[in-house]
Amino acid sequence: AQTVTQSQPEMSVQEAETVTLSCTYDTSESNYYLFWYKQPPSRQMILVIRQEAYKQQNATENRFSVNFQKAAKSFSLKISDSQLGDTAMYFCAFMKHGAGNTPLVFGKGTRLSVIA
Amino acid sequence: NAGVTQTPKFRILKIGQSMTLQCTQDMNHNYMYWYRQDPGMGLKLIYYSVGAGITDKGEVPNGYNVSRSTTEDFPLRLELAAPSQTSVYFCASGDRAYNTEAFFGQGTRLTVV
Repeated sequence: AQTVTQSQPEMSVQEAETVTLSCTYDTSESNYYLFWYKQPPSRQMILVIRQEAYKQQNATENRFSVNFQKAAKSFSLKISDSQLGDTAMYFCAFMKHGAGNTPLVFGKGTRLSVIA
Repeated sequence: NAGVTQTPKFRILKIGQSMTLQCTQDMNHNYMYWYRQDPGMGLKLIYYSVGAGITDKGEVPNGYNVSRSTTEDFPLRLELAAPSQTSVYFCASGDRAYNTEAFFGQGTRLTVV
């Protein structure tokens, strides 16, 4: 079974600064997807970024980028130029690639506070 | 674009009562999921479905039942509610053939007292 670990329950960052959220995972699969989801106080789950394990290039979405280290099974999220609207819970998630029933497996989340 | 719609958004149940959480998606997704979110615990899978007529247990299925009679609907039934079922419930859907992203409803906050 796959597991996802987020070792930082809470973090804070000053507005306009950069912050990195950590995520490690455990799997015997070679092909899979990794995700970061954002959950603001509204409770809505919003996809931030997605990484395919077979791609060596790190995914980037505007101010959000990842550092994907497949051998180390590490998948950190970097938020640049942090904004007040980035305040939220952030969840790292894993999904096995391919046919079959493989729902998302989530970490416990990191609560990020952006301070003005 | 409705996406994934969950009803109700909030509910208070008394111990022993039953209720159904409704979930509907209009994206013609085959895959649908029910998760519960407890404070500090992330999201745990309750049940999921890969298509109409097919359901399977997730990590925490006890105390719940589901059905999938149509592609669009995936209701979650709570029988004999218990305080341990106090949580936020999320329904999600996805189409694994074309897109790996899971789309989430806005959640239902359930309190059992």
